[in-house]
Amino acid sequence: EMVMTQSPVTLSVSPGERATLSCRASQSVSSNLAWYQQKPGQAPRLLIYGASTRATGIPARFSGSGSGTEFTLTISSLQSEDFAIYYCQQYNNWPRTFGQGTKVEIK
Amino acid sequence: QVQLVESGGGVVQPGRSLRLSCAASGFTFSSFAMHWVRQAPGKGLEWVAVTWYDGSNKYYADSVKGRFTISRDNSKNTLYLQMSSLRAEDTAVYFCARGLGELQNWGQGTLVIVSS
Repeated sequence: EMVMTQSPVTLSVSPGERATLSCRASQSVSSNLAWYQQKPGQAPRLLIYGASTRATGIPARFSGSGSGTEFTLTISSLQSEDFAIYYCQQYNNWPRTFGQGTKVEIK
Repeated sequence: QVQLVESGGGVVQPGRSLRLSCAASGFTFSSFAMHWVRQAPGKGLEWVAVTWYDGSNKYYADSVKGRFTISRDNSKNTLYLQMSSLRAEDTAVYFCARGLGELQNWGQGTLVIVSS
């Protein structure tokens, strides 16, 4: 089973600052990686797929990069609505697997 | 717009069965693979199962293989998850989601509590 490891577990950021989240795969997943945002009591929302393509309606301040085993989600200037938990997910292999999540909290 | 609405959750005793449903609307249901993903209280996301758009292929997480069965009725635009031999560790919110690779749309989830 592909293991996805996210870091850090918690990221404390001030509004307006840049946030950089990492996701590492135990084997190459090519570019078959997605990022999701989840707020308390809500379902996850797709942000990025194909490692770097923004989903419909996702603001340009969200960007994804990487391929193979190392991936990054960058939020260029954090807005109040961006404080949430972020998950990466690989869809290169079965079973699909998620990272354990990175919580972005207000500093 | 795409809508996915889960139902069927509740409190069930260990060892018993439960069937979840996911009603889909706003898209051509029969053209999309569908998944179940769960989230235990206070924990992260765990992928559970997938069915191909026509039900021809299905995959399961090892944690549920042999106990859970995913199915769909394209005439009713509905996805199902039949859960049997339930354990305490199956307690979670169960989400249905659309897509084969990335999960494009998610329902709001239904809570399953396995407890005596």
